[in-house]
Amino acid sequence: AQKVTQAQTEISVVEKEDVTLDCVYETRDTTYYLFWYKQPPSGELVFLIRRNSFDEQNEISGRYSWNFQKSTSSFNFTITASQVVDSAVYFCALSEGSSGNTGKLIFGQGTTLQVKP
Amino acid sequence: DAGITQSPRHKVTETGTPVTLRCHQTENHRYMYWYRQDPGHGLRLIHYSYGVKDTDKGEVSDGYSVSRSKTEDFLLTLESATSSQTSVYFCAISPRGQPTSGNTIYFGEGSWLTVV
Repeated sequence: AQKVTQAQTEISVVEKEDVTLDCVYETRDTTYYLFWYKQPPSGELVFLIRRNSFDEQNEISGRYSWNFQKSTSSFNFTITASQVVDSAVYFCALSEGSSGNTGKLIFGQGTTLQVKP
Repeated sequence: DAGITQSPRHKVTETGTPVTLRCHQTENHRYMYWYRQDPGHGLRLIHYSYGVKDTDKGEVSDGYSVSRSKTEDFLLTLESATSSQTSVYFCAISPRGQPTSGNTIYFGEGSWLTVV
């Protein structure tokens, strides 16, 4: 069965600290896709990144970086030098590539990040 | 901006009344979705559409129906609202085709529904 687990419900850091958000997934598919979304206090869902199961290269985008490890079924998200504007709920999600799939995203429960000045 | 407009953005309704949420897109995307967001559950798929008059159920479809008579509009109806349907509802689109190919899904701004 497919599942996404974000074990950290809430994280609080002080500005400029680095913070890592954990995401562990379960799937039987060999082809799948992983996503991170950000939900700021205003409520919209902002797409951050998509990763394919056959591409384990880590990705860096400014202060954001993602570590994808198939061996541990993890897709962790690190924010370097956090800022107050990073305060949000972050969701990890999985989409399976099997035929007949609805194309739905399976979401984790979300991690609330609070960055204090 | 994914070109998605949801209406209404906020609504309070009474138990037992019908409610329709509208999702409008401007880019003629084929795939559209309705998700609900609840604390502790993340987002869960209610229904989705892969074309005009082509719809299918998601994992939490009980109590909901959908219709898509035009490419640009995807309607979600609660036939008889219950308190358990108090939630935030998100419409979403997949602009590059079927998401099983890993295409990204983009979300609207959400509709806050309270059933009292």
